[in-house]
Amino acid sequence: DIQMTQSPSSLSASVGDRVNVTCRASQSISNSLNWYQQKVGKAPKLLIYAASSLQGGVPSRFSGSGSGTDFTLTISSLQPEDFATYYCQHSYTTPRSFGQGTRLEI
Amino acid sequence: QVQLQESGPGLVKPSETLSLTCTVSGASISDYYWSWIRQPPGKGLEWIGRIYTGGSTNYNPSLNSRVTMSVDTSKNQLSLKLTSVTAADTAVYYCARRTDYMDVWGGGTTVTVSS
Repeated sequence: DIQMTQSPSSLSASVGDRVNVTCRASQSISNSLNWYQQKVGKAPKLLIYAASSLQGGVPSRFSGSGSGTDFTLTISSLQPEDFATYYCQHSYTTPRSFGQGTRLEI
Repeated sequence: QVQLQESGPGLVKPSETLSLTCTVSGASISDYYWSWIRQPPGKGLEWIGRIYTGGSTNYNPSLNSRVTMSVDTSKNQLSLKLTSVTAADTAVYYCARRTDYMDVWGGGTTVTVSS
C-alpha cells in the first residue's frame, strides 16, 4: 500500500501569509494526488485534483504542484476562512490513502 | 446540484453489524464510482472502499474481511455494512462521489460502538 506523509503536522500563520504544505508518497504516484480542506465538524472539501487542477469554485489563491513522490499545496495569501486542516490523498491505486493532515492555525 | 446524505443507527453494540445508507440526489449512482470514508474522533481520514454499479468493489485490506458495499439503483442509494464492530470502528462515516478524486461529500454520520 502507498503511504502518504504530510509536513508539517501543524502550522501557525497570519492573515496574508504565503503558506506551503507538503505531501510525500512512499512510491511514485505520477500526478494522482488530491488536496482537501476540512473545517471542524464539516466534511472535507476538494480543493485540488490531479496535483495541480483547481476544483471549480475554489479561490485561485490555492494552487498545487508536484509529481512523482513530492507535492505541495500553496495558499498565496491566507484569508481568515482558510484556517482549517488540510489532507492530501493519492488515487494511483487501491487502496486510496490520505496523509495524516496539516492543521493550519492562526 | 448533487447531494449525498448518510443515515443509520448512531449506536452499535460491539460484535454487531454496522449498517449505513447513503442517499444520492441530483445524480444517478449508475454514472459514477462511489466511496466510503471514515474519520475516528480527533483523527484523520481512512478510505474504506469504493463501489461501481454492477457490483465492482474494492475494499481497504485493513477492513476487507468485514466490509460489504452495495448499491440500490431503484432508490439511488449506496449501502455499507461492517461486521464484528469494536470500539475502534467508532467514527464519522462519509460517502463521497468518485474515487479518483472525491468531489462531492455527504455531511457524515456519527457511529459510536458501545454496549
